Amino acid sequence: AQSVTQLDSQVPVFEEAPVELRCNYSSSVSVYLFWYVQYPNQGLQLLLKYLSGSTLVESINGFEAEFNKSQTSFHLRKPSVHISDTAEYFCAVSDRRFASGGSYIPTFGRGTSLIVHP
Amino acid sequence: DVKVTQSSRYLVKRTGEKVFLECVQDMDHENMFWYRQDPGLGLRLIYFSYDVKMKEKGDIPEGYSVSREKKERFSLILESASTNQTSMYLCASRWTSGGYEQFFGPGTRLTVL
Repeated sequence: AQSVTQLDSQVPVFEEAPVELRCNYSSSVSVYLFWYVQYPNQGLQLLLKYLSGSTLVESINGFEAEFNKSQTSFHLRKPSVHISDTAEYFCAVSDRRFASGGSYIPTFGRGTSLIVHP
Repeated sequence: DVKVTQSSRYLVKRTGEKVFLECVQDMDHENMFWYRQDPGLGLRLIYFSYDVKMKEKGDIPEGYSVSREKKERFSLILESASTNQTSMYLCASRWTSGGYEQFFGPGTRLTVL
């Protein structure tokens, strides 16, 4: 089965500092990769995704993630965080081997809590 | 904007009660999902439906059932609620292709006493 590992359960950081949230997955075949963000008391929302093409993908609020096929990683980075970035971040992988009815079933990591201190 | 709504934000039930959690999406998505979210465990898939009347068990289906009679609505049923089903329940929907992202509802926090 596909597995997704988010290496850090919690990442504390000061405002305006850079941050990296790590994500590794087990499959080496063609995959779709996603980062979702969950703000307090809300559902998840898409932050960014990688389907194909350029290995570096960006979000509208300054986050970026790089697909590294050889290391099966999809780490999320931001050069300067804000208090408002405090949230839970989830990495997810859709693998064509895990499908039902023609639909890929995504696997989620356990999440990383980003805590930005003033 | 895609909207996924869940019938309740907070729900308190007693052990042994039958519990219905409703999810409705307005974007004609084929796929719908039910997850439970617990601290330190992330999202765990309970059931998945890839189309009307079609369902597949996820990783933790025990104690749950689902119903999808209409494309826009996906219901999660706890036949006899137990305290270990106290959790946050998240519904999501998506178009069929694996490259499409999921859209999530706000969640239902269920407490079983």
